[in-house]
Amino acid sequence: GQQVMQIPQYQHVQEGEDFTTYCNSSTTLSNIQWYKQRPGGHPVFLIQLVKSGEVKKQKRLTFQFGEAKKNSSLHITATQTTDVGTYFCAGLTASKLTFGTGTRLQVTL
Amino acid sequence: EAGVAQSPRYKIIEKRQSVAFWCNPISGHATLYWYQQILGQGPKLLIQFQNNGVVDDSQLPKDRFSAERLKGVDSTLKIQPAKLEDSAVYLCASRRGLVNTGELFFGEGSRLTVL
Repeated sequence: GQQVMQIPQYQHVQEGEDFTTYCNSSTTLSNIQWYKQRPGGHPVFLIQLVKSGEVKKQKRLTFQFGEAKKNSSLHITATQTTDVGTYFCAGLTASKLTFGTGTRLQVTL
Repeated sequence: EAGVAQSPRYKIIEKRQSVAFWCNPISGHATLYWYQQILGQGPKLLIQFQNNGVVDDSQLPKDRFSAERLKGVDSTLKIQPAKLEDSAVYLCASRRGLVNTGELFFGEGSRLTVL
C-alpha cells in the first residue's frame, strides 16, 4: 500500500533558527496537504498543493510540491515558540488520503 | 460555525470490554472520516463515509470495529471486544465536498486507554 514518510522524525531548534521537514511518497500524488498538531491537540489544516512544482507561502512558512508529485517540503523561517508541534503531510492518491509519519518540532528560547 | 464534536473525550476500559465513540460533523459536510492515531504516529484512516454510504473501510479491523453514519449526519464508532493495542486517540474529521480534496476539519478526539 501507499506509504508516506517524513524526515526528520524530530527536530529541536532555538528560536530564530530555520526548520525544514521533508515528505516522500511511494506513489505519485494527486495533491498534498499539510497539517499542524499542537501537543495534546488535533490536526489543523495548513495548506493544500495540487500542481507539480507548486510553491506557496504563508507568512514564515513555505510549502513546495515536487516536480514528480512524489515529495513535498515545509520550511519555516525564523522559528518561534508558537511553531511547536508535529507537522504532518497527507498525500492523496486513488481517492485515499494517507498521512505521513510526522515531524515533531521543539523550539526553545 | 460549530466545529466537529466528539464524545467522550476520554475513556478507560479493560480489554475485552466494548466502547462506543460519537461524532457530529460540521453541518452540511458530506464526507466523514474516522482516524486512529497511536501515540507518536500519524493518523491512520479507519473508515470514510460519503453521506451515509461507506467509501473506504479497507483498514477497519472488521472483526472488532464497526461504524455507522445513520441519516448521513452523525456517526458512531464501536470497538467490541477491545484489545490493548486499540489504545489510541480516535479522531473524527469532516469535509464539505464529496471528493477527496480540500480541508479536513478534525474534532478534539476521543482518547481510549485499554488496560
